Order: sequence, then structure tokens, then C-alpha cells
Amino acid sequence: KAGVTQTPRYLIKTRGQQVTLSCSPISGHRSVSWYQQTPGQGLQFLFEYFSETQRNKGNFPGRFSGRQFSNSRSEMNVSTLELGDSALYLCASSLSASISIGGYTFGSGTRLTVV
Amino acid sequence: AQKVTQAQTEISVVEKEDVTLDCVYETRDTTYYLFWYKQPPSGELVFLIRRNSFDEQNEISGRYSWNFQKSTSSFNFTITASQVVDSAVYFCALSEGGTGTASKLTFGTGTRLQVTL
Repeated sequence: KAGVTQTPRYLIKTRGQQVTLSCSPISGHRSVSWYQQTPGQGLQFLFEYFSETQRNKGNFPGRFSGRQFSNSRSEMNVSTLELGDSALYLCASSLSASISIGGYTFGSGTRLTVV
Repeated sequence: AQKVTQAQTEISVVEKEDVTLDCVYETRDTTYYLFWYKQPPSGELVFLIRRNSFDEQNEISGRYSWNFQKSTSSFNFTITASQVVDSAVYFCALSEGGTGTASKLTFGTGTRLQVTL
């Protein structure tokens, strides 16, 4: 059974550009969450999607957005990149919308470097 | 607001020693879930255990054991007879919410464990 797949693994972008990251959840999983990991702020929740609907959003500026497709695959987009957006972006999938059923399985992440 | 504190930033042990990683949490919810994840250098967060707030039974899984105490809001993790392969960053995390509730994980800052020969 394939795990959570994130593409690309590494990305280098220039300030002001935009970037799109992709996450394919485990087959059958319908909930996808995104997290940002930086040395200074640690692991922070970005947003969660279930059945193509954003159900929860973290405390990030509007430059960070996401969406989920009917096949549960998800993308997140960061516009007008800043140096501080350099981070490891982790995607997690879960079988259900309820945390009482199952847990979160994480992908290997996309390491974004903004120069 | 929920909060997870991992006071130990880094721990170094010699192989075969036992090591305990501390985790203290804060939440106003009566229903919540606690997790431990391991992050090796590859970056992926590897799930270790999940515990709900109604289940204070401690658990042992091979060389791993977990001690959940609601009275002190702690969920500590012990590795017995540590091995070099245990070297990683370990995160404790908290999720609020009962059935049907959208939920997110609040992570602690992590404890880097280094096991040497």
C-alpha cells in the first residue's frame, strides 16, 4: 500500500514567485492536512481538507492557500514568496474526518528554499 | 488554546541505556488525543502511538513504552535498551476534538535523541 506522496521533494524559488506543492494521500484516505516546519517556529498547522472542503485553517497569511480534488489529492499554493517561507512542508492524510478514527500518516515532505 | 511542551531539547545516551522523553500538554477539552511521532533525518514523520483522553492505560510495544497521566497532563515516552537507529527527533502532539470534529495537531518543539556506541 503506497504511503503519502509529496512532490516535488526539493524546490528552489526566488522571492516574489509563487509555488504549488502536491500531495497524494493514501488510497481511501479522504482527509488531507498541511504543516509547515521551520527551525524557528517548529511544526505549524496550515490547513485541513476533507471531501474538497477546507475545514480548518491555521494562522497563516492569505498568501497560503490550498485545495483538494475529487480524488482526494491536494495542492497548496504560496504566492509572493518571502525568504521566511523557506521550510519543510509536510502533508498528512487520514482515513476519516474524525480524529477518533485512525491517525495521521505523513509524507516525506517538500523542502522549499526561497532565495 | 492547546499547548504541548517538550522541555528536553536534546538528549544524548549510550547504546543500551534507557531514555525517557517528557511531554506535558495543556487543553481545555475533555476529549482529546495525544500522539508521538519520530522524525529521522529523511524528514518523514513516523507515527508511533495515539492515545485518547479516556484511556489512561499505559502501553508497551517492544522496546517502547508510554506513560499517560491525566492528573499531571503528561504523556511520557520511554525507549528501553536504546539503539543507534533510535537517533531522531521525537515529537509529542495533541489533537482536540471528538467524533466529527475537524481537528489539527499541535506539536511540541521536539526532542532530539542521539544514541552513540
